[in-house]
Amino acid sequence: GQQLNQSPQSMFIQEGEDVSMNCTSSSIFNTWLWYKQDPGEGPVLLIALYKAGELTSNGRLTAQFGITRKDSFLNISASIPSDVGIYFCAGQRSNAGNMLTFGGGTRLMVKP
Amino acid sequence: DAGVIQSPRHEVTEMGQEVTLRCKPISGHDYLFWYRQTMMRGLELLIYFNNNVPIDDSGMPEDRFSAKMPNASFSTLKIQPSEPRDSAVYFCASARGLGTGELFFGEGSRLTVL
Repeated sequence: GQQLNQSPQSMFIQEGEDVSMNCTSSSIFNTWLWYKQDPGEGPVLLIALYKAGELTSNGRLTAQFGITRKDSFLNISASIPSDVGIYFCAGQRSNAGNMLTFGGGTRLMVKP
Repeated sequence: DAGVIQSPRHEVTEMGQEVTLRCKPISGHDYLFWYRQTMMRGLELLIYFNNNVPIDDSGMPEDRFSAKMPNASFSTLKIQPSEPRDSAVYFCASARGLGTGELFFGEGSRLTVL
């Protein structure tokens, strides 16, 4: 089946640093989404991208839908301890019943 | 508003026992999903329902797994008999539709099979 390659798998950074993570695929997606999973919780949607080339911000988070429709990245600026968690990218294809394909996740750890 | 409610939050059981996980989706959501999360395989879609009807169960690992949705406010995922390799966090999620890609996840049920 189709796969999303998400990198890095984990990051350990200092509070205040910026973070960048990305997701790539061999397949085209109509929608890219980024979810965050806090420890002990379920994933929560952070940002959704619906057009190739779209750049969307949500507070300190910025995400982009790659122009080829095969990739997306998420940036977090000025990280804080509560950014800790697992970040998942997800792709959605209308010709696949709009089901989501999730990446493997990026585990973010922030040192105060 | 209440989110997706799952129970139990944690279950420890012995191999061979029957396990039943429960989910109450958000009211008004027409779609319900069951996911399994493990370190090795990440988030895997097991099955999803639309208006209480199972649409795609191709992700269900084997016949030991079954899921039902008897009404719009309740679903179960059953494993019988359970095996140690079933140990994982099982998430239920619901959605109003599929167009936006936004799923609302419950807090998960952590299953440990000894």
